[in-house]
Amino acid sequence: DSGVTQTPKHLITATGQRVTLRCSPRSGDLSVYWYQQSLDQGLQFLIQYYNGEERAKGNILERFSAQQFPDLHSELNLSSLELGDSALYFCASSVALSGDSSGNTIYFGEGSWLTVV
Amino acid sequence: AQKITQTQPGMFVQEKEAVTLDCTYDTSDPSYGLFWYKQPSSGEMIFLIYQGSYDQQNATEGRYSLNFQKARKSANLVISASQLGDSAMYFCAMREGRGSGNTGKLIFGQGTTLQVKP
Repeated sequence: DSGVTQTPKHLITATGQRVTLRCSPRSGDLSVYWYQQSLDQGLQFLIQYYNGEERAKGNILERFSAQQFPDLHSELNLSSLELGDSALYFCASSVALSGDSSGNTIYFGEGSWLTVV
Repeated sequence: AQKITQTQPGMFVQEKEAVTLDCTYDTSDPSYGLFWYKQPSSGEMIFLIYQGSYDQQNATEGRYSLNFQKARKSANLVISASQLGDSAMYFCAMREGRGSGNTGKLIFGQGTTLQVKP
């Protein structure tokens, strides 16, 4: 158990709909990352928050948005869903921002499987 | 720009044998961390091992060891005494250090699928 909690684990929805994926980071972790994993694109970084503020954006579509709340949990909102949005969405968290210490490992949740039909 | 390359899309290994999964990386940042993750068919991403750019010794975690060759920019994962449960996708990843503007996000390779044969 990584300590990162994601809900829901599985979600099936229709094209054009909107869904919200939720993430609770490990206790004490201030940084939250969202990744998308699809068969054709591999693991893609979407967005990062640190202590409530957006820190970096990756390949995130305009139809997608995210936020991190004061209690540090995060939500990823996906709207106007298309078939191509079907993927495994990961939330990950870490204590700090740098990778130069083993204590700053990024831990992943179990992912949310999204199927758009 | 950072880049991770895993050149082995798929590999087979006999149970109880050792296997090496290759990873090369590219970065201009002198401070960085290298990670390996395991993704079984159930989908979760499991952290295996970490190597810091300034670490003098290769990292080890149980049956996992990281063969770190800094000059060659390689960070190969060695799994000793393979088990059937090791069958999974393995990802090499890199995270930059404390430099200005670094966000600390992980950059992943394309992954290597390992199948352990009984």
